[in-house]
Amino acid sequence: QKEVEQNSGPLSVPEGAIASLNCTYSDRGSQSFFWYRQYSGKSPELIMSIYSNGDKEDGRFTAQLNKASQYVSLLIRDSQPSDSATYLCAGDFGGYNKLIFGAGTRLAVHP
Amino acid sequence: EAQVTQNPRYLITVTGKKLTVTCSQNMNHEYMSWYRQDPGLGLRQIYYSMNVEVTDKGDVPEGYKVSRKEKRNFPLILESPSPNQTSLYFCASSFGTGPLMNTEAFFGQGTRLTVV
Repeated sequence: QKEVEQNSGPLSVPEGAIASLNCTYSDRGSQSFFWYRQYSGKSPELIMSIYSNGDKEDGRFTAQLNKASQYVSLLIRDSQPSDSATYLCAGDFGGYNKLIFGAGTRLAVHP
Repeated sequence: EAQVTQNPRYLITVTGKKLTVTCSQNMNHEYMSWYRQDPGLGLRQIYYSMNVEVTDKGDVPEGYKVSRKEKRNFPLILESPSPNQTSLYFCASSFGTGPLMNTEAFFGQGTRLTVV
């Protein structure tokens, strides 16, 4: 059974701090990983994708992938209250868009 | 505007009454899928379609049917809904269908279904 595990949180950080979100997965065969942000009652929206080991930066967001250790992380620098949402980690284990999602980590950024 | 459109957004129905949730995308995506989202369980894939007339089961297909007669539409059918199908449903589409292709999934607005 392919699984993606996330701590449900809530992860509470002060405004301006770095938020670190982590995700582990059970199947070494996954090629691609994605971080989605979901506001309460809304649909998920993609914020980062990562396909190879190492770091990938996009603005205030950095995704990190370590396939040997089977974990993915998302760092949010200079966290803002508008970043408060649930962050979903997903892996493409089938190689054909068969995404397996973690249950999500709720992030709360307080002023 | 590129989008995935689901209808209805909210639906309350009774056990056993057949219903269909529609999903349409205007991005010419080949891959479409349906997910349900339940508290503590995250998003779970119900069915997916890699192209017209090609569909396959996801992780939780029991009690659901789908069809893909044309590229843009992928309706979800509940032939005999039961209370355990009360959930938030999302349709999603993406362009790529192979490893390391562009697999970003675009989600519809969601359909909140309650079966009583």
